[in-house]
Amino acid sequence: QVQLQQSGPGLVKPSQTLSLTCAISGDSVSSNSAAWNWIRQSPSRGLEWLGRTYYRSKWYSEYAVSVKSRITINPDTSKNQFSLRLNSVTPEDTAVYYCARTLGYIDLWGRGTLVTVSS
Amino acid sequence: QSVLTQPPSASGTPGQRVTISCSGSSSNIGSNTVNWYQHLPGTAPKLLIYDNNHRPSGVPDRFSGSKSGTSASLAISGLQSEDEVDYYCAAWDGSLMGWVFGGGTKLTVL
Repeated sequence: QVQLQQSGPGLVKPSQTLSLTCAISGDSVSSNSAAWNWIRQSPSRGLEWLGRTYYRSKWYSEYAVSVKSRITINPDTSKNQFSLRLNSVTPEDTAVYYCARTLGYIDLWGRGTLVTVSS
Repeated sequence: QSVLTQPPSASGTPGQRVTISCSGSSSNIGSNTVNWYQHLPGTAPKLLIYDNNHRPSGVPDRFSGSKSGTSASLAISGLQSEDEVDYYCAAWDGSLMGWVFGGGTKLTVL
């Protein structure tokens, strides 16, 4: 049974960097068929896909235009996990952040991490 | 503002059949398949329907999906109290090059 376990701080100060990690069990971050995504949900923006990383003979990372200048999603093969870094956060980045797997469609989600941006 | 449009709420009585719509455009629903998720806030969203009308193992056949043009629908028959959660549609958008979602529909079982 594949599971995604999220970790990271729930409070980040404005202008700082939001960092979250998603540990994978039961599958591999280096899978040739899966992609590993970050998605967030807020009352004002609804569900918003942020980006993904995946391995197809080499590593790829792709990002939503709305956050492209501030985001990095990286795999960590040694720990079988992937991470999200979002720079220069503002209160508008306050949201529940989910990691998720796609196998052609989003089939598995983490439980979510509420991240509040506040001083 | 969500890219896909869903009604914010829907309701029905136990045993009844309800449908939830999801409207998009040619760049998402019109050219890609639709997936549906069931979400109880505070938990992981659960895949309910994939590729327009396929149910993952373990999802009751009370749940069904359909798609026509740039719109899709989720139907729930034999409504039960445990169905009272939020439902979201999603599709890949070839113009935005990313996943897009509906705003969610809160289902109330009266």
